[in-house]
This record gives sequence, C-alpha cells and structure tokens, in this order.
Amino acid sequence: GDSVTQMEGPVTLSEEAFLTINCTYTATGYPSLFWYVQYPGEGLQLLLKATKADDKGSNKGFEATYRKETTSFHLEKGSVQVSDSAVYFCALGNQAGTALIFGKGTTLSVSS
Amino acid sequence: GAVVSQHPSWVICKSGTSVKIECRSLDFQATTMFWYRQFPKQSLMLMATSNEGSKATYEQGVEKDKFLINHASLTLSTLTVTSAHPEDSSFYICSARRREPSVGELFFGEGSRLTVL
Repeated sequence: GDSVTQMEGPVTLSEEAFLTINCTYTATGYPSLFWYVQYPGEGLQLLLKATKADDKGSNKGFEATYRKETTSFHLEKGSVQVSDSAVYFCALGNQAGTALIFGKGTTLSVSS
Repeated sequence: GAVVSQHPSWVICKSGTSVKIECRSLDFQATTMFWYRQFPKQSLMLMATSNEGSKATYEQGVEKDKFLINHASLTLSTLTVTSAHPEDSSFYICSARRREPSVGELFFGEGSRLTVL
C-alpha cells in the first residue's frame, strides 16, 4: 500500500543554518504531496503542497519539489529561525476521499 | 479560509465518564472529516473517516462502540469517548476535506488533549 518515509529526527540546528528533511513515498497513481507543521501543543498546519511531478511548493521560506523519478518530496529552507522549531510531517493523498498518509514526523529544534 | 475549529482544546475527566469533542469547519463545507489520535512523540494514527449523513468508517483496531463519531452536518463532526479510561488519554485531532476546490489536502483543528484520571 501507499506509504511515506521521513528521515528520523530530531534535527538540531543553529539559527540561520540550512535545513533539509528528507521524505520519500510509495504510491500507486499520482498522489498529491504535502508538508504539515505542528507546533508544541497545537494541531497541524498545512505548510506547502504539490499536486504533480516537478511542482514546487513553497511557503514561509520553505520549499519542496515533487520528484516523481526519485519518489521524493524533500523539505528545504535556506536559513532557519528559532521559531521554526516544530514537528514536520510529510504526507500524501489523493482526491478520492481517503485520509492522508503521514510519515512519522521529524522534530526540528533550532537554537540561537 | 479553510479554518477548522475543535472544542474543547483540553479536558480532564474521571474514569468511566464520557467526553464529547466537537470539530467544526468554520468557513467551508466538509465532505469528509477524519479523526486522528496522536501519542506523545509519535505520528498521527487515523481512527475513523466520517462522511456527512452516513456512518463512520473505523480503522482496524479502533472500537466503534467506544469512539462514537457523528457527522451531523457538512460543518460539524463529533467524537464521543465513552466510558473513558486512563489509556484513552491522548491528543485527538480532527481534520476536514472541503467539498471544492480540493487537491486532497486536509485542514486540521487545533487538537483536543484528553486526560482521564
């Protein structure tokens, strides 16, 4: 079945460092791909999305490109801030009414 | 747009009592709502899928008589934890998919932290 694999965390960075969180997927068909962020004690917020191959989703300085050939959707940010500390979830889904399939989440901790 | 509100955000109850959690889509009609459970430092576990006006579909291992889900309208779904026990303590998160437009993304509520004493 469909699945999402994320790099294990936690990821600990200094402020202004470059961030990459790897995400690969297995899916039939052509899913949409998402990154969600969860701040402590809160629900999930959609960070960015891509709906087809080679699409690049971007938001708040974060980017991810839908790579069909490598079945990947890695999250990147050029310069992280302390406020980016959170748990990041990669997910895939489709329009058929089914729930999103989430990776296990990667905890990012940014120190000043 | 696409705001989902959950209430209460936290609740403490005694063992054996029932707790109801509401999930509302504030500015869109949700064709489908999903209930997830999240344990500390773990990913989200899908509990059930509910469509307006029909019975919820539960994931394997989730007791439907314990976790009652009602999707009364296109903007409201409720999760009732019946006869709660300490092992039911968890962070419950609802999410909704809007009718149109949609590329499959879900919009999440703020979550409800349940503590059963």
